[in-house]
Amino acid sequence: AQKITQTQPGMFVQEKEAVTLDCTYDTSDPSYGLFWYKQPSSGEMIFLIYQGSYDQQNATEGRYSLNFQKARKSANLVISASQLGDSAMYFCAMRDLLGGSNYKLTFGKGTLLTVNP
Amino acid sequence: GAVVSQHPSRVICKSGTSVKIECRSLDFQATTMFWYRQFPKQSLMLMATSNEGSKATYEQGVEKDKFLINHASLTLSTLTVTSAHPEDSSFYICSARDVEEPSTDTQYFGPGTRLTVL
Repeated sequence: AQKITQTQPGMFVQEKEAVTLDCTYDTSDPSYGLFWYKQPSSGEMIFLIYQGSYDQQNATEGRYSLNFQKARKSANLVISASQLGDSAMYFCAMRDLLGGSNYKLTFGKGTLLTVNP
Repeated sequence: GAVVSQHPSRVICKSGTSVKIECRSLDFQATTMFWYRQFPKQSLMLMATSNEGSKATYEQGVEKDKFLINHASLTLSTLTVTSAHPEDSSFYICSARDVEEPSTDTQYFGPGTRLTVL
C-alpha cells in the first residue's frame, strides 16, 4: 500500500524567503507520480507541480521546485521568494502509474504554511 | 491548466432531504472523476471513483446507496447525498483526470461544495 508522510503540521516563513515543505513516501510500485497541491482557505485544490519516478531532473514550475530524492523516498516542495498569497495548506500526493489502482491519489495530511509580512 | 467546476458551492438542507452536487470538466474530457470528502483541518478522503458509462467504484466504508454517483458524459459527474443527516455535513470536492495527459494523469480539482445538514 502507498503511504505519504508530511511531518510538518505547520510552517512559518518570512515574506520573500524560501521555504521547504517535507514529504516522504512509501510504495512498492516501480513507477509512480508525485504531486503537490495547494489548498487556500477558499477550499479549492490547486495543482502545483508533478514529478515522475523516472524523471531524471527535478521538476520546476515558476517559484515552485520539487527536491526529488528517490533513494530517500522524499519529494520536498521548495517555494522560493514566498508571498503572502502562498499562505495555505499544502498536500503531497502520490499515484502509481501502472493504472492498477484506478488512478487513485494517496494524500498526506498536509502542511499549513503561514507567510509573515 | 484544466478547469473543473462544481455546483453548488454551498448548500444548506434539512435532514432527510437529498442533495445533488455536479462536477464538470470545462475544457477537457474526463473519463474518470473522483469524489472526495474533507473534514475540517484534515486531508482529503476518497469516497469513490467514477468512470464514464460504468458504475462507480466505492472505497471501503462508503455507502453506495447513500452516496449515489452518476457519470453520464465525459464532462459531467454527479454525487447525490440521499436522505442527508447532520453527520453528512462536510466539504465535498471532486476531481477529474485529464485523458490528454496520460504521462502524468494529473487530477484537477473543482472548488468544492460545502454541505450543511440541519
